[in-house]
Amino acid sequence: GESVGLHLPTLSVQEGDNSIINCAYSNSASDYFIWYKQESGKGPQFIIDIRSNMDKRQGQRVTVLLNKTVKHLSLQIAATQPGDSAVYFCAESASLSGNTPLVFGKGTRLSVIA
Amino acid sequence: GAGVSQSPRYKVAKRGQDVALRCDPISGHVSLFWYQQALGQGPEFLTYFQNEAQLDKSGLPSDRFFAERPEGSVSTLKIQRTQQEDSAVYLCASSLQDNTEAFFGQGTRLTVV
Repeated sequence: GESVGLHLPTLSVQEGDNSIINCAYSNSASDYFIWYKQESGKGPQFIIDIRSNMDKRQGQRVTVLLNKTVKHLSLQIAATQPGDSAVYFCAESASLSGNTPLVFGKGTRLSVIA
Repeated sequence: GAGVSQSPRYKVAKRGQDVALRCDPISGHVSLFWYQQALGQGPEFLTYFQNEAQLDKSGLPSDRFFAERPEGSVSTLKIQRTQQEDSAVYLCASSLQDNTEAFFGQGTRLTVV
C-alpha cells in the first residue's frame, strides 16, 4: 500500500507500553484541537478533541493534554497495541466554526513493536 | 455505507487534462471540507461548504481549482489543466456542524503525468 509520511518523526514503542505523542502549535488564539490517526492508504480518523477551556480530556485508552502556556498538546495512548501503528496528526483551529479551518501539524509515525 | 465516500479512489491524468473528484458526505452532515495532502505532509485546507454555500475557498491554490455542492450534499472538486504539482491525495471531510468531529473519506490519489 501507499505510505503516508515517509520522513516523519517516528516513535517506536513496545506493545503494551504507553505512548506519548507531542505536538507544538503556534497560534495562541487557537480554541479547538483534534487528534487524528491515519493508517496507510486511508483518510484521517478522528480520535479525540479538546477545547481551549480544558486542559485534559480522556477517551477510551487515549488522553489528550493541553498546555496553553507553552502551546503544547499531547496524546497519550495506554497499553499500545499493534493496531495503533499509524501516523498521528494534531490539528488546531481558532474556533469551532468551519470558517476557521483546521490547520494540521506534520504528523508523527507511531510504530508498535510486538 | 455510513462513512464519507470518495471517488475515484485513484486517478491518473495527463498534464493539461481536467479532472473531477467526487465526495459523498455522511447523510445529514451540514459542513463539508476539501483538503489536499502531499506525500509526507499533513492535510492542507482547500475549501469549506455549509450546505450548498461555499463559505471559504481561501485554500484553493489557483483559479484552476473549483468546487461545488449544488444541492448541499454531494460535492465535486474540479481541477482544470492539471499540472504535476497537483499530484496529491485529495481528502473530503464532513461534520454535523463546523469543525467538530469532522469525518474524512479515504481520499482520491491524483497523479499527474
